[in-house]
Amino acid sequence: QAGLTQPPSVSKGLRQTATLTCTGNSNNVGNLGAAWLQQHQGHPPKLLFYRNNDRPSGISERFSASRSGNTASLTITGLQPEDEADYYCSSWDSSLITWVFGGGTKLTVL
Amino acid sequence: QVQLQQWGAGLLKPSETLSLTCAVYGGSFSGYFWNWIRQPPGQGLEWIGEISHSETTDYNPSLKSRVTISLDTPKNQFSLKLTSLTAADTGVYYCARHELGSDSAAFDIWGQGTMVTVSS
Repeated sequence: QAGLTQPPSVSKGLRQTATLTCTGNSNNVGNLGAAWLQQHQGHPPKLLFYRNNDRPSGISERFSASRSGNTASLTITGLQPEDEADYYCSSWDSSLITWVFGGGTKLTVL
Repeated sequence: QVQLQQWGAGLLKPSETLSLTCAVYGGSFSGYFWNWIRQPPGQGLEWIGEISHSETTDYNPSLKSRVTISLDTPKNQFSLKLTSLTAADTGVYYCARHELGSDSAAFDIWGQGTMVTVSS
């Protein structure tokens, strides 16, 4: 069950820039932001950004995160073949009293 | 470096109970919530519930009547029980942690996942 809205798919060329979006409301993304996760086929998700847009150690600087109002964004510059994956956003919903996820965006690097 | 390793039965029948366990290596329970998250085949992620080191629990309202998450502190393990299974419960189940009491908390460490199939 997706509580946050993400586009199902994005396609970009090698070395281009992709921006993925995640839209929620004032009870989740608009309140405390969204975290971003990357998942390659057959593997568990990997944290890319905390909800305050901090990057865990080891995550490439080609990845950046931001938020405007109820929409969070993940930007990936200089796209590489290994960036092809599913990307999920997540946040705590203070109204539903539950963690919520987006439905995921499948990024294809052409 | 903290690692999570999980295990449990992978093939169950409708109406049976799912039992999974996640062991925490290289760290303690203190300061974190310990979570279960699932992913139906080809679909997105769904949060099931969490437990803190003091055994405070929160559950997804849509699953609350069927879920129990418990802690075994001496063994550094936490477990999930999900009752009255149906085919809709089929998917990969993950354990994961997030920091307690942080406004920026996120699921930063994940287990390897356990595929659970519910079929008669």
